[in-house]
Amino acid sequence: AAGVIQSPRHLIKEKRETATLKCYPIPRHDTVYWYQQGPGQDPQFLISFYEKMQSDKGSIPDRFSAQQFSDYHSELNMSSLELGDSALYFCASSFHPFSSGGAGETQYFGPGTRLLVL
Amino acid sequence: KQEVTQIPAALSVPEGENLVLNCSFTDSAIYNLQWFRQDPGKGLTSLLLIQSSQREQTSGRLNASLDKSSGRSTLYIAASQPGDSATYLCAVSGNAGNMLTFGGGTRLMVKP
Repeated sequence: AAGVIQSPRHLIKEKRETATLKCYPIPRHDTVYWYQQGPGQDPQFLISFYEKMQSDKGSIPDRFSAQQFSDYHSELNMSSLELGDSALYFCASSFHPFSSGGAGETQYFGPGTRLLVL
Repeated sequence: KQEVTQIPAALSVPEGENLVLNCSFTDSAIYNLQWFRQDPGKGLTSLLLIQSSQREQTSGRLNASLDKSSGRSTLYIAASQPGDSATYLCAVSGNAGNMLTFGGGTRLMVKP
C-alpha cells in the first residue's frame, strides 16, 4: 500500500539559510499535518491543511510557512534557520473527520526529514 | 491545554510476558486516541485508533482500551517478542481538526 512520502530524507543547512520540505500524502487523503520532533522529545504539532486550506495551527514559528497544493502535496518552508530547528520533521496524512465517512481518521506518518542546522 | 503522560517511561521485560502501557490525558474532551510505535531514528507507525465513543480496539496481539471520563488509555501487548522493542507513543486529538498531542512515550525492551 502507498505510504506518505517525504523529501528530502536528510538535509544539512547553515544558520540563516532556508529549507523546503515536501510531503506527498497517501492517495485520496485530504488532510496533511506537520510535526516537529526534537532530539529526545515527543512530536509537536506545527500546522495542518484540509482541502488546501489551513486547518489548525500549533507551535509553528513565524519563520516557517506551509501550504497544500492542488494535488494535495504540501511543502514546509523554513527561513532564517536556527540551530534549534535541528529536528526530525514528520508529515502525516489522513481522511478529515468531516469526510472520512466512517473510514476513520487514523494519521499515517511519513519517514520524516532529518534537518541538521550547523 | 491538553497534557498527555505515559507511564512507565521505560520498561524491560523477558520475552513472552504480557505487559500494559499506560497513557493519561488531562482534558477528557478528546475526539480520538491513537497509539504509535517508533523505532530509534525512524518514523511513527500507527498501531490502533480508538474513537471517543469506543471502549477498546484490538489488532493481533495488541489491545487498546479507552476510559474517556477518567482520562486514561492502556495498551496491552500479549506474549511480547524481541521485535516489539521500540518506543510506544500515545496521542490524543482534541477537536475535529484531528491535530495530535503526544505523550512522552514508553521505551520498551523485550529481552530474548
